[in-house]
Amino acid sequence: GESVGLHLPTLSVQEGDNSIINCAYSNSASDYFIWYKQESGKGPQFIIDIRSNMDKRQGQRVTVLLNKTVKHLSLQIAATQPGDSAVYFCAENGEYSSASKIIFGSGTRLSIRP
Amino acid sequence: GAVVSQHPSRVICKSGTSVKIECRSLDFQATTMFWYRQFPKQSLMLMATSNEGSKATYEQGVEKDKFLINHASLTLSTLTVTSAHPEDSSFYICSARGTGEGQPQHFGDGTRLSIL
Repeated sequence: GESVGLHLPTLSVQEGDNSIINCAYSNSASDYFIWYKQESGKGPQFIIDIRSNMDKRQGQRVTVLLNKTVKHLSLQIAATQPGDSAVYFCAENGEYSSASKIIFGSGTRLSIRP
Repeated sequence: GAVVSQHPSRVICKSGTSVKIECRSLDFQATTMFWYRQFPKQSLMLMATSNEGSKATYEQGVEKDKFLINHASLTLSTLTVTSAHPEDSSFYICSARGTGEGQPQHFGDGTRLSIL
């Protein structure tokens, strides 16, 4: 069946350094991918998304890269700050429509060293 | 920006009790809402898709008679955990997406359910 997984369950980064969180997906038909940030006791917060017809998309301090050949997705956070500490999930949406469901990966916990 | 509100944020009750959780889209209309369950240190698992004016679509392994979903309006979906037991204790999260293409899915802040 469909699955979205992550390479690393935890990531520790020095404050100010860049963070890279990786994700692998198995459904080659996936059309739309999203990165979410979840802080303790809260729901997921949308960070950035990318459609399958793109390789890269940039936001404020974040960049998502999509490699469809190897079915790999990454989230890059520039100049990591203490407020970036959270669990990050990649998610896959089979169809780019309002009714289609989102499948979450297992998550990576990002911790920031002072 | 778009906001999804869940109520209550936390509930503690005795085994056998039925618990209702509300999910509201505050500034947009949502034809479709989604209900997830998240156990500690795990990912979000989709339970069901809630469709306004029609029956919910449940994921495999989710008991529809146990988890009753009602989506009576474009801004409100409810999840009722019937005859809850300790194994139903979890973090329940809803999400909603506005109608039309290109609308991101917004999540509520979850409901922590603890069954004693």
